[in-house]
Amino acid sequence: KNEVEQSPQNLTAQEGEFITINCSYSVGISALHWLQQHPGGGIVSLFMLSSGKKKHGRLIATINIQEKHSSLHITASHPRDSAVYICAVRRIGTDKLIFGTGTRLQVFP
Amino acid sequence: NAGVTQTPKFQVLKTGQSMTLQCAQDMNHNSMYWYRQDPGMGLRLIYYSASEGTTDKGEVPNGYNVSRLNKREFSLRLESAAPSQTSVYFCASSDPTRSQETQYFGPGTRLLVL
Repeated sequence: KNEVEQSPQNLTAQEGEFITINCSYSVGISALHWLQQHPGGGIVSLFMLSSGKKKHGRLIATINIQEKHSSLHITASHPRDSAVYICAVRRIGTDKLIFGTGTRLQVFP
Repeated sequence: NAGVTQTPKFQVLKTGQSMTLQCAQDMNHNSMYWYRQDPGMGLRLIYYSASEGTTDKGEVPNGYNVSRLNKREFSLRLESAAPSQTSVYFCASSDPTRSQETQYFGPGTRLLVL
């Protein structure tokens, strides 16, 4: 079993829909990252969380440390949100990240 | 600032050939990483460097060597390429001493080994 599991693997939505992507992990962590990989391949960091909730524009990330679970929400989704969203965790005591396999999101007009 | 740069963007090799992937960052970060990304799998760490002059193996180091030439540059070398090394390679950097600890990624190198 992977230490970081994401669901769903693939997601399609109509423009304007509310999107939720989930991430569960099985190790003790000091931080969780959400990243976005564009169709061209570039990877950018969206959030780093160690507790609670963060918001940036239409993106909201939450984490529940006790349940070892995080969610990434996109409000009022848009075709430009189409990308692969990757969850990664930093195991306690290391600087290294463990990555999930990603969720491919396609938003249609 | 250019951020993290990688060269080359694409490369085709024959089995047994060698090559070096170059990575440089201009953010004065201490930590640098090399990952590979394969279909259906998450990014996997090949090698890691916490500071100039230090390197550590990651999850999949076999077949690779690295050099942390200075604080800016971290290169990945394939001494004898194999088809199993066909992948997309990403370099990243971060500064864990800062509270953000965000990793910044290069644009990637697509490698095909025939």
